[in-house]
Amino acid sequence: SYELTQPPSVSVSPGQTASITCSGDKLGDKYACWYQQKPGQSPVLVIYQDTKRPSGIPERFSGSNSGNTATLTISGTQAMDEADYYCQAWDTNTVVFGGGTKLTVL
Amino acid sequence: QVQLVQSGAEVKKPGASVKVSCKASGYTFTSYGISWVRQAPGQGLEWMGWLSAYNGNTNYAQKLQGRVTMTTDTSTSTAYMELRSLTSDDTAVYYCARRILADASDIWGQGTMVTVSS
Repeated sequence: SYELTQPPSVSVSPGQTASITCSGDKLGDKYACWYQQKPGQSPVLVIYQDTKRPSGIPERFSGSNSGNTATLTISGTQAMDEADYYCQAWDTNTVVFGGGTKLTVL
Repeated sequence: QVQLVQSGAEVKKPGASVKVSCKASGYTFTSYGISWVRQAPGQGLEWMGWLSAYNGNTNYAQKLQGRVTMTTDTSTSTAYMELRSLTSDDTAVYYCARRILADASDIWGQGTMVTVSS
C-alpha cells in the first residue's frame, strides 16, 4: 500500500521560514494537498493541487511537489502557525495521509 | 456560509453500530462529494472513504470494507456514515468533509466523538 512519510516535528523561530516535507514513491506524479490542525479543532485545507491556496489562506503558505517529495513552506512564520500539518495524496482509488508533523514556533 | 454540521457524540458497546450524520448548507449539495475521515485519540488522520452526493457512488478504504456504509439524503442535504461491529479500535473523532479537486477536502464538519467501551 502507498505510504507518505513526514518528519514528526519541525521547529522554527518567529519570522523565519518553515519547510515541512512529505515523501512518497513518485509523489510528484500525483497531486498533494496539506492540512493544518490545531488542538481540538477540525483540519483546515491550506494547499491543494500541489500549489494552490484556498480562499482565506495567507500568502505565506506555499507548496511544491516534484520527484518523490512534496513540500509545504511557511514564510515569515507566526506564532499562530503552530499546529500539526498533514499531507495527503491519492493513489489507486485510495486517499493516503502522511503521519503528520508538529510545527513548533519557538 | 458553507458549512457541515455533524451529529453529537456517541458511546457504544463493542459489537454495536453507529451512524453519524453530516448536514450540509450554503452550497449545492449534489455538486460535491463527501469524504469521511477519522482520528483516534492522539493519532493522525485516517481516510475512511467518500461518496458522490450526485449519484451515491462510493469508494471505501479497504480495511473498512464490509463494515462501513456511506449514504446521502439529497432531500435534506445530509450525508451519513454507518460503522458496524465496533471495537475499541474504532474509538475516534469522525469527520465529514466536502471533497473538491484532486481529492482535497476544503470544508470540514466539527467532528463527532465516538467512544466504544464496555
